[in-house]
Amino acid sequence: ELKVEQNPLFLSMQEGKNYTIYCNYSTTSDRLYWYRQDPGKSLESLFVLLSNGAVKQEGRLMASLDTKARLSTLHITAAVHDLSATYFCAVKDQGGSEKLVFGKGTKLTVNP
Amino acid sequence: DTAVSQTPKYLVTQMGNDKSIKCEQNLGHDTMYWYKQDSKKFLKIMFSYNNKELIINETVPNRFSPKSPDKAHLNLHINSLELGDSAVYFCASRGDTEAFFGQGTRLTVV
Repeated sequence: ELKVEQNPLFLSMQEGKNYTIYCNYSTTSDRLYWYRQDPGKSLESLFVLLSNGAVKQEGRLMASLDTKARLSTLHITAAVHDLSATYFCAVKDQGGSEKLVFGKGTKLTVNP
Repeated sequence: DTAVSQTPKYLVTQMGNDKSIKCEQNLGHDTMYWYKQDSKKFLKIMFSYNNKELIINETVPNRFSPKSPDKAHLNLHINSLELGDSAVYFCASRGDTEAFFGQGTRLTVV
C-alpha cells in the first residue's frame, strides 16, 4: 500500500531564510504533485513532477524528484511572508486505483 | 472559467438529513475524485471515478453514494448525516499530468 510521509509537519522560519520540505513515498509512482493550501481555501497546484531528476521552479519555490530514492523536495529560497501556507505533496498510486495519496502537509509560517 | 466547480461552498444541516454536493469539470479529464479533509487538514480519498466508472471506494460508509451522470460530473449524495461527517469535501479531476481541485464544500452537521 502506498504511503506518503512528509516532514516537517510544522515549519516556522524567518523571512529571508532558506528551507526544504521533504516528501518520501513507499512504492513506485510516475506522478508526484505539490500543492499549496491557504486557510479556508482550496488546493492550488504548484508542481507536477513526472520523471527522475525532474526539477521545476516557480519564484522562490523549487521542487525536485528522485524516483530511485522515492523522495521529492520542495525548497524555499529567501522566504517571504506571502509563502505562509500549508504545503502538501501527493503521489499517484500505480496499483490501478489511480488515487492520489497525500502527505499530512507542512504548515509553513514565515515570520518578519 | 473555473476548471473544477463544486457547489455549495457551505452546507449546514441537521443530523439525519440527506444532502448532495455537485461537482463539474470542464477540462475533459477522465478521472475524478472525492476527498475528505478533516479538522487536522488530512486529505483522504473517498472515491475515484474513471470515465464515469467507479474505480475505488475507500471504506466509506454506504451512506455516501457518488453518482457520475457523465465524465464531466461527479456528485456526492450523503444520507442520514452524522456529526462525524462534518469536514471539508473536495472534488478533483486529473488528466494525464495535472490534477485540479474544486473550491471545497464545508459541511457542518449540527
